Amino acid sequence: NAGVTQTPKFRVLKTGQSMTLLCAQDMNHEYMYWYRQDPGMGLRLIHYSVGEGTTAKGEVPDGYNVSRLKKQNFLLGLESAAPSQTSVYFCASSYRDRDPHEQYFGPGTRLTVT
Amino acid sequence: KQEVTQIPAALSVPEGENLVLNCSFTDSAIYNLQWFRQDPGKGLTSLLLIQSSQREQTSGRLNASLDKSSGRSTLYIAASQPGDSATYLCAVRRYGGSQGNLIFGKGTKLSVKP
Repeated sequence: NAGVTQTPKFRVLKTGQSMTLLCAQDMNHEYMYWYRQDPGMGLRLIHYSVGEGTTAKGEVPDGYNVSRLKKQNFLLGLESAAPSQTSVYFCASSYRDRDPHEQYFGPGTRLTVT
Repeated sequence: KQEVTQIPAALSVPEGENLVLNCSFTDSAIYNLQWFRQDPGKGLTSLLLIQSSQREQTSGRLNASLDKSSGRSTLYIAASQPGDSATYLCAVRRYGGSQGNLIFGKGTKLSVKP
């Protein structure tokens, strides 16, 4: 099993450009999450999904959109990138109803917006 | 609102010392608590997960305890080694609700000197 994978690993964007980050998991997890990690701020939840076709806002959703068309994939989109979105993005997944509901994280995507 | 605090923010110890990392949370209604390790520029590696009904979990030289009533968890590392140098993150999963996302502390950066 690959676990949770993220593509790309690194990306540099110019202000106003758009891009999509892909998260894939092969553990048949129902829940998937996108977090961002910034220095001095810890990890914060951007959006999450409790199942295929469903998404919801987290703590810092502005400027991002997400889609969960397939159970194993969770996409994070930036329509018009801003320097404030320079961050490291982590995807995670977990089971819905199976203890201990441990979250498994991907390796991260380092995004720089100039 | 759940808040997670980790003290100290940074810690430097000589090799071989036993050490304790602290994590506190403001709302005791948690489902579980996870300790993660993060190496520079890398993703999150789950170290230990403690269910709300448990008091402690052990893995090798690591022991994590949980006191829900006081809103505290500690991560004990025995006989520290230079390879333990990393940032250690504590995160709690809320009890109830449908999202199951983790609330993270800002981490403790540990440096173990040879």
